[in-house]
Amino acid sequence: NAGVTQTPKFQVLKTGQSMTLQCAQDMNHEYMSWYRQDPGMGLRLIHYSVGAGITDQGEVPNGYNVSRSTTEDFPLRLLSAAPSQTSVYFCASSRAAGLAGDEQYFGPGTRLTVT
Amino acid sequence: SQKIEQNSEALNIQEGKTATLTCNYTNYSPAYLQWYRQDPGRGPVFLLLIRENEKEKRKERLKVTFDTTLKQSLFHITASQPADSATYLCALLFYGNNRLAFGKGNQVVVIP
Repeated sequence: NAGVTQTPKFQVLKTGQSMTLQCAQDMNHEYMSWYRQDPGMGLRLIHYSVGAGITDQGEVPNGYNVSRSTTEDFPLRLLSAAPSQTSVYFCASSRAAGLAGDEQYFGPGTRLTVT
Repeated sequence: SQKIEQNSEALNIQEGKTATLTCNYTNYSPAYLQWYRQDPGRGPVFLLLIRENEKEKRKERLKVTFDTTLKQSLFHITASQPADSATYLCALLFYGNNRLAFGKGNQVVVIP
């Protein structure tokens, strides 16, 4: 199993550009999520999905879009990049959501810089 | 709103000693609490889960306690080794929520 994979590893964008961060998992997990991690702020939830076709907003959803057309993939779209979106982005998956308490498997992260 | 607090200062500890980290939360008790380890440039890795009706959990040299009266979890690394140097994150899930909320993490440095 490859686990959770993320591409690209690094990306530099200019303000106003759009891009998609890719996330895939091969563990047949129902729950997938996107976090951003900033110095001094910890991990903050952007969007999450409890299954194919179902997505919901997390703590900091503005400026980001997601869709979940398959169980395996959960791409994160930046609609119009802003310097405030400079961060490290982590995708995570787990077998189930909520009270199940299943461990989250994290990808290696994408380091994004917006100039 | 809920707050999750971990010590922002790094914990420097001598090899062989026990490292103890704290995770405090406000307001409502979570359904469970998880601890993760994060190394520089990598994603967090799950270590332990403890539920609200459990007082203590152990896994090898790791021990987690959960005190819902104090609204606090303690994370212990016994017989610490330099390889234990990392940042440790606590994560809480509250009832009625599918969102796991993370603390900011606490760095541990084990000195040989």
